[in-house]
Formats: sequence, C-alpha cells, structure tokens
Amino acid sequence: SQQGEEDPQALSIQEGENATMNCSYKTSINNLQWYRQNSGRGLVHLILIRSNEREKHSGRLRVTLDTSKKSSSLLITASRAADTASYFCATPTGRRALTFGSGTRLQVQP
Amino acid sequence: AAGVIQSPRHLIKEKRETATLKCYPIPRHDTVYWYQQGPGQDPQFLISFYEKMQSDKGSIPDRFSAQQFSDYHSELNMSSLELGDSALYFCASSRQINEQFFGPGTRLTVL
Repeated sequence: SQQGEEDPQALSIQEGENATMNCSYKTSINNLQWYRQNSGRGLVHLILIRSNEREKHSGRLRVTLDTSKKSSSLLITASRAADTASYFCATPTGRRALTFGSGTRLQVQP
Repeated sequence: AAGVIQSPRHLIKEKRETATLKCYPIPRHDTVYWYQQGPGQDPQFLISFYEKMQSDKGSIPDRFSAQQFSDYHSELNMSSLELGDSALYFCASSRQINEQFFGPGTRLTVL
C-alpha cells in the first residue's frame, strides 16, 4: 500500500486562484517532500518540511505538516498557467528511498 | 549547473529482450536512486546506492539488477522484458539524505 495518499486526484482552477493539495501518510517520518512533474518529464523538488516544522514557505508555495494527523498540505497562491502539472508528496522510507503519493493533477486555466 | 543525465531517453524493445539504462548523477552526489513510473501512476522506488554500495531495495523485480560504478554512474539492467515493464524510468541523485534531483527519465516501450 502507498505511504502517501493525495487528494484531490485532479484539480482545475482559474489563473489567479489558490490551489490546495493534501497528502496523508501512514508511518512516522522525519521529513516530507513535495515534488512537481510536468507531463512525461522528470520530477522537480519543490520543498522539504521537517517533522519538527509546522509550516514552511517558498515563494508562492506554503506547506503545512501535521504529524499528529499524519497529513500535509501544499498551497500554491496566485496560480499561473505554468503551474499546470502533477504534484506529489513523498516521504522517506528505509535509509535511502522515497515513497511517493498518488499525486494531484493540477490544471490552471488561463 | 550540472543535472542528472540519463541515457537513452527513449528505448523500444521486444518482449524477452534485455535493456540497460544508464544514469550519471550530479557531481559530488553520493546517492543514486532508481524509480519506475507507469502510465498515470506515481513513481515507484526500485533501488538505491550509497557510495557504490546497494542501500535500499524497493519493488524491483528479480529480472532487474543495478549497480553503481567507481565513477558513480549507475546502470539498471532489465532482462526478459515484459509488456508491463513499459514505463518511464527515472534516476535521481542526492548528497546525503536530502532532496533528490531527478533526471529526465528513460521512456521504455516493450512491444
């Protein structure tokens, strides 16, 4: 079974709106990461939040982590058409491995 | 800045053939990872290497093997290919246990 489950699976918004994606995981973690993937391309690391952090910002991105609920959210503010992509959360498993969630496909309409 | 290099970018094979995918990590990165991503699926971890030694093993079939060489490049060897092996194969590298930098992927099509 997957470590991370994301919702929604797909999200369509208008340019300028905010997009929120959620991720839940099952086991204890020391960090959670968010990645972005344009269709058929490689994944790009967006942000890493450690287990002792509750919120982290990077540009238009805001990530929260609730270890008591084993959940995280990624907020993209003032979305742009170029933000159209799939977004995955990922958690470390083992010594050197990541387990990815099922991803949210974001479509930003211009 | 240098990125992770993967070759080939596209590969077409017949069933039961073998394939070798190559990955060149970012210089001074000590860990290499391999992931498989089927159509519409999330990336699945296959295997990782730290300082040329196998570190973690995920859902890698017995028909697949991988190694990391003295120059830190890695190869994923896939034998007895099946239709279900058609996927994007990503290599990633990192320095210690930090963010992973992904290559552009190799798209393998098995006919």
